Amino acid sequence: SQTIHQWPATLVQPVGSPLSLECTVEGTSNPNLYWYRQAAGRGLQLLFYSVGIGQISSEVPQNLSASRPQDRQFILSSKKLLLSDSGFYLCAWSSGGEQYFGPGTRLTVT
Amino acid sequence: DQQVKQNSPSLSVQEGRISILNCDYTNSMFDYFLWYKKYPAEGPTFLISISSIKDKNEDGRFTVFLNKSAKHLSLHIVPSQPGDSAVYFCAANSNSGYALNFGKGTSLLVTP
Repeated sequence: SQTIHQWPATLVQPVGSPLSLECTVEGTSNPNLYWYRQAAGRGLQLLFYSVGIGQISSEVPQNLSASRPQDRQFILSSKKLLLSDSGFYLCAWSSGGEQYFGPGTRLTVT
Repeated sequence: DQQVKQNSPSLSVQEGRISILNCDYTNSMFDYFLWYKKYPAEGPTFLISISSIKDKNEDGRFTVFLNKSAKHLSLHIVPSQPGDSAVYFCAANSNSGYALNFGKGTSLLVTP
């Protein structure tokens, strides 16, 4: 069966510091991968998606970037965090219509 | 702009009764609709989906109804159980897109 891992589970970072969140998927090949953010009081917002290694599409211009160095690995990064980057970050994978989410990372920028 | 709307931020239902969660969408290109359930500090869990070629899909206690002319869908949970208490997100996408467009969620509380 497929599983999706995210780490860390929680993170507190100061403004201006870098960020790296990692997501890995097991049990499937060539999945589509996604990064979402849920800010307080808001729905889930798609940030990036990837249909293959090295292929990244950005949905929203922002302070973040994504990379896919391996088939089942998806990384979300920032060079300098902003207060507005605080939120709950979710990685997801799909091979059809449904998307399956990881456990999420709670990021607090102070 | 919000293309998927869940206008009720919260809903309280007694155990054993029916829970009805509603969702409206504006984009007529959407042809696939999903419901997710989310507990605090966890990722959303896929519940049930429906394609635009159907108007009803049922899975155990969960049924999703789609009214394409009204651009409206609903999730029915019967009978409701305390463990159903969570935030429910409606999502939609089109055959030509990868993104799932999510509503802001409805927080369901099922009381004993």
